[in-house]
Amino acid sequence: NAGVMQNPRHLVRRRGQEARLRCSPMKGHSHVYWYRQLPEEGLKFMVYLQKENIIDESGMPKERFSAEFPKEGPSILRIQQVVRGDSAAYFCASSPPGGGTEAFFGQGTRLTVV
Amino acid sequence: GIQVEQSPPDLILQEGANSTLRCNFSDSVNNLQWFHQNPWGQLINLFYIPSGTKQNGRLSATTVATERYSLLYISSSQTTDSGVYFCAVDVNTGFQKLVFGTGTRLLVSP
Repeated sequence: NAGVMQNPRHLVRRRGQEARLRCSPMKGHSHVYWYRQLPEEGLKFMVYLQKENIIDESGMPKERFSAEFPKEGPSILRIQQVVRGDSAAYFCASSPPGGGTEAFFGQGTRLTVV
Repeated sequence: GIQVEQSPPDLILQEGANSTLRCNFSDSVNNLQWFHQNPWGQLINLFYIPSGTKQNGRLSATTVATERYSLLYISSSQTTDSGVYFCAVDVNTGFQKLVFGTGTRLLVSP
């Protein structure tokens, strides 16, 4: 039973380029969450998605960041026109439907903007 | 919003020693999880423990929801226990919108 799969594990982008991070949830999980971890800090919630719906994006920066979870395929976190401050580890988590359940995290994508 | 504080912030142990990590939270929660982030950055689920006590090998955890704290016990520590330990809580949103604590950085020396 595969866990939460994220790719790529490491991503290097030049300032101004676009970054696309992918996440496939655990089998049977329909809820996907994205978190960001800046160096030497804890994880911060960004967005919560279900298939074809953004449920809560209260942690997403207002500009340049977007997320989707299409009917088919992985969830995508897209960062346009990256800046050095976007350098961080981005983690995806998934959980079964409903509250009061355990969330499982992927291995993360480490984005470096040069 | 809810505040989640962990103590101590840093801990150095000799291999074989025991330790207790604490997580305090400022409001009632629907969910509490403990994670270990190893030196390679991977987040490993340790416990899902909104209340009560659980044990898994050398690790155990207790959450006293009415008093808004949780404890993680590590016994007979090993060098592979090194890393950062996070607790994270969900504030009754109906889904897993976790608020992470500040973390405890543990170093176990041989």
